Amino acid sequence: DAKTTQPNSMESNEEEPVHLPCNHSTISGTDYIHWYRQLPSQGPEYVIHGLTSNVNNRMASLAIAEDRKSSTLILHRATLRDAAVYYCIRGAGGKLIFGQGTELSVKP
Amino acid sequence: NAGVTQTPKFRILKIGQSMTLQCTQDMNHNYMYWYRQDPGMGLKLIYYSVGAGITDKGEVPNGYNVSRSTTEDFPLRLELAAPSQTSVYFCASSGLAGYNEQFFGPGTRLTVL
Repeated sequence: DAKTTQPNSMESNEEEPVHLPCNHSTISGTDYIHWYRQLPSQGPEYVIHGLTSNVNNRMASLAIAEDRKSSTLILHRATLRDAAVYYCIRGAGGKLIFGQGTELSVKP
Repeated sequence: NAGVTQTPKFRILKIGQSMTLQCTQDMNHNYMYWYRQDPGMGLKLIYYSVGAGITDKGEVPNGYNVSRSTTEDFPLRLELAAPSQTSVYFCASSGLAGYNEQFFGPGTRLTVL
């Protein structure tokens, strides 16, 4: 299957780090790994992407396994506004192949 | 910049009717995309375009048509609406395909009865 595999849901406490896992064992060498999130009734929002090396930006960090078969999105301090569905996506030739995502809930 | 805009926000169609979903971006992006999202599911790519005059099929193109006559606009046409096309439709654009951020519009919620 060309799609990625993520847990259906995860819970976090506010101000704690969150590690969202993703398996993509069949990813090809040229496919990027993208993460988007979607708040209720909104379009998806870009979070981060990478190919082989770990990546950091103002929103999150992306840790990619050396064999590229898995990756982890890290939110360093979860806030209530981070509650959303997080999609780990394989970018294939310019196209994003969405899976079902992980619904993250954040408790105060 | 308005980013990616979509019209209408909501629409109810009867089976067999036709309509065009409009999408416009003001970021001078070459790449544009149409996705649909069924309840509780991830997005599925319908069609995409790498520039004016060039379009290609995605995962679920049946029942839809697109055209790209300008860089800014990428309309999606439903010719004979069916209940299976009830969904939320998102348009997106990006400067570089696959490697850069895609910017999504707010979506069009379509119901076919």
